[in-house]
Amino acid sequence: GENVEQHPSTLSVQEGDSAVIKCTYSDSASNYFPWYKQELGKGPQLIIDIRSNVGEKKDQRIAVTLNKTAKHFSLHITETQPEDSAVYFCAALWGNDMRFGAGTRLTVKP
Amino acid sequence: DTGVSQNPRHKITKRGQNVTFRCDPISEHNRLYWYRQTLGQGPEFLTYFQNEAQLEKSRLLSDRFSAERPKGSFSTLEIQRTEQGDSAMYLCASGPLWGGGEKLFFGSGTQLSVL
Repeated sequence: GENVEQHPSTLSVQEGDSAVIKCTYSDSASNYFPWYKQELGKGPQLIIDIRSNVGEKKDQRIAVTLNKTAKHFSLHITETQPEDSAVYFCAALWGNDMRFGAGTRLTVKP
Repeated sequence: DTGVSQNPRHKITKRGQNVTFRCDPISEHNRLYWYRQTLGQGPEFLTYFQNEAQLEKSRLLSDRFSAERPKGSFSTLEIQRTEQGDSAMYLCASGPLWGGGEKLFFGSGTQLSVL
């Protein structure tokens, strides 16, 4: 089955700096890779996603890049703000089963 | 539409008791999923419904767990004879049929504590 590894587990940046979170996956059959943001007491919220036929996707301050050959994908957040502080999860779709990474706790210091 | 709704938000129970959680998905969504999340981990897939049909179950879903979606709308997840290891956040997600397994929208979850 699919296995998704995510790092770092914690990340602290200064407001205005960029943050990068990386994930690798094991099953080359996976073709959909979303990123979720989870705030305390809430469920994960989809923030951006990418399919395997695309190498990069951008939405305002967030972007995702995918290297299908190497089986890794990354989330990039630019000009970070304190409200970006949360736990971020990458995931890979395997059949009907969305496999999640263990999460990255991002702290943006004002 | 207010998104995916889960009740209760918190449940504290004693070991050995039965508990039931409810999920109301986004109204036009055909697909419904249950996930379990423990502290410091990502959500783990439990089961998937397309309309009222339960199409997939994870090996994580022991015989003590049962899920239903009788009319293809809301769903319930029941845990019988709860154990301390069942303590976790139980998340429900829904998605449109056209999305395949994509575009999942999660509820805020039910936090279960088994004493």
